Amino acid sequence: DAKTTQPPSMDCAEGRAANLPCNHSTISGNEYVYWYRQIHSQGPQYIIHGLKNNETNEMASLIITEDRKSSTLILPHATLRDTAVYYCIVRETSGSRLTFGEGTQLTVNP
Amino acid sequence: ETGVTQSPTHLIKTRGQQVTLRCSSQSGHNTVSWYQQALGQGPQFIFQYYREEENGRGNFPPRFSGLQFPNYSSELNVNALELDDSALYLCASSRTTGGGETQYFGPGTRLLVL
Repeated sequence: DAKTTQPPSMDCAEGRAANLPCNHSTISGNEYVYWYRQIHSQGPQYIIHGLKNNETNEMASLIITEDRKSSTLILPHATLRDTAVYYCIVRETSGSRLTFGEGTQLTVNP
Repeated sequence: ETGVTQSPTHLIKTRGQQVTLRCSSQSGHNTVSWYQQALGQGPQFIFQYYREEENGRGNFPPRFSGLQFPNYSSELNVNALELDDSALYLCASSRTTGGGETQYFGPGTRLLVL
């Protein structure tokens, strides 16, 4: 079973920041938080991951709370092409598998 | 573009037949993982191959089998196809160095079993 909880859907206006929350209250000390997204019928696309510090790359920022029980993925300036299902995944450092939940359907509106 | 390629892109089979799906990993990657994604659901882990051996398996029956070749490419074989095997099959490659490796997905093969 997935170890994360995400809202099933969210809307965002084009050009605004999209903040996608994820709860992972049972996360262990050796588990990373990964974010992927999947645009309809394509393979999942890696976005970002982190252990306990906040992370930023060219796609997004990842904010992890100090107790590590939740995180937020931030797309700073959402575009229509960011419409996708976003998956938050908790994964062991040495784990072989990614366990996907149902994800959040983000719809960016013009 | 991740550099992970899969073939074929689409496939139609009938119940009871066998199918082989192929995956070429990204340059520099030595590990391939396979996932099944039914319509409207998240991907489910089938198994992973590292150094040509199975390195972890999900809750799938033995009729799902795989191979990894010396060039790190991989095959997924499914025997005795069932209607419920209709799904998008995804492969992901990564570079195993001891833990926490990011997996990069290919575009998938869509299988329809009639």
